[in-house]
Amino acid sequence: TQLLEQSPQFLSIQEGENLTVYCNSSSVFSSLQWYRQEPGEGPVLLVTVVTGGEVKKLKRLTFQFGDARKDSSLHITAAQPGDTGLYLCATQKWLASNTGKLIFGQGTTLQVKP
Amino acid sequence: GAGVSQSPSNKVTEKGKDVELRCDPISGHTALYWYRQSLGQGLEFLIYFQGNSAPDKSGLPSDRFSAERTGGSVSTLTIQRTQQEDSAVYLCASREGQPMGYTFGSGTRLTVV
Repeated sequence: TQLLEQSPQFLSIQEGENLTVYCNSSSVFSSLQWYRQEPGEGPVLLVTVVTGGEVKKLKRLTFQFGDARKDSSLHITAAQPGDTGLYLCATQKWLASNTGKLIFGQGTTLQVKP
Repeated sequence: GAGVSQSPSNKVTEKGKDVELRCDPISGHTALYWYRQSLGQGLEFLIYFQGNSAPDKSGLPSDRFSAERTGGSVSTLTIQRTQQEDSAVYLCASREGQPMGYTFGSGTRLTVV
C-alpha cells in the first residue's frame, strides 16, 4: 500500500498549457516535499510545505498543502519544455529515534512538447 | 565536494556476480540514505545511516543486499549474487540535520544481464 498516491502518472501536454499534479494520502503529515527529477540525475528539492492550507509559489509553479494536511497539489502555469521531468512528492516517516526517512510517491512523468 | 558523489555512474554485470556501489556524501552531513528507483517510478527506501546509531535496514529487499558506512562518511552498498530484478538506478542522499534538506547524487544505473 502506497503511503502517497500521485496522479496522474503520465502527462503529455503542449507548451503554454496549464497542468496540475496531485499527491494524496489517508494519513496526516507534518510536512510534505516536492521534487523534480531529470533523466540521469537525482531528485532536486523544489519546495517544502508545512502548514495546512499553505500556498507557495516558485516562478510558474504553485504548491498547495491541503487544510487537513493529507494532500498537496502542484500547479504549473504556461508549461515550458524545460519543465519536462519526473515530479515526486515525499514525506518524512518519523522513527522512534526521532529521526526520519523520506517516503516517496510513485511520481508523475511530465512531458511538455514545444 | 559540493554535492553527493556516486560511483560508478553505470554498471553492467552478469547475473550471479557481486557488485559494490559507492556514495560520497556531502562533508559534515550526518545522515545518509540509499534508495532504489525502477524506470520512471518513485524511490524505494533501502537503508539509512545516522551518525553512530545502528542503521535502519528495514528497506533492504533481501539478505543479498548490505551496506556499510565507514568513518561516518563514505558508504558502500553491496549486492551479492545479482539477479535481473536488481536492475535499477541506485540513489544515495545525505542530509545535514532536521527536518529536511536532502541532497541526492546522480545515481548508479545497474543493469544485470
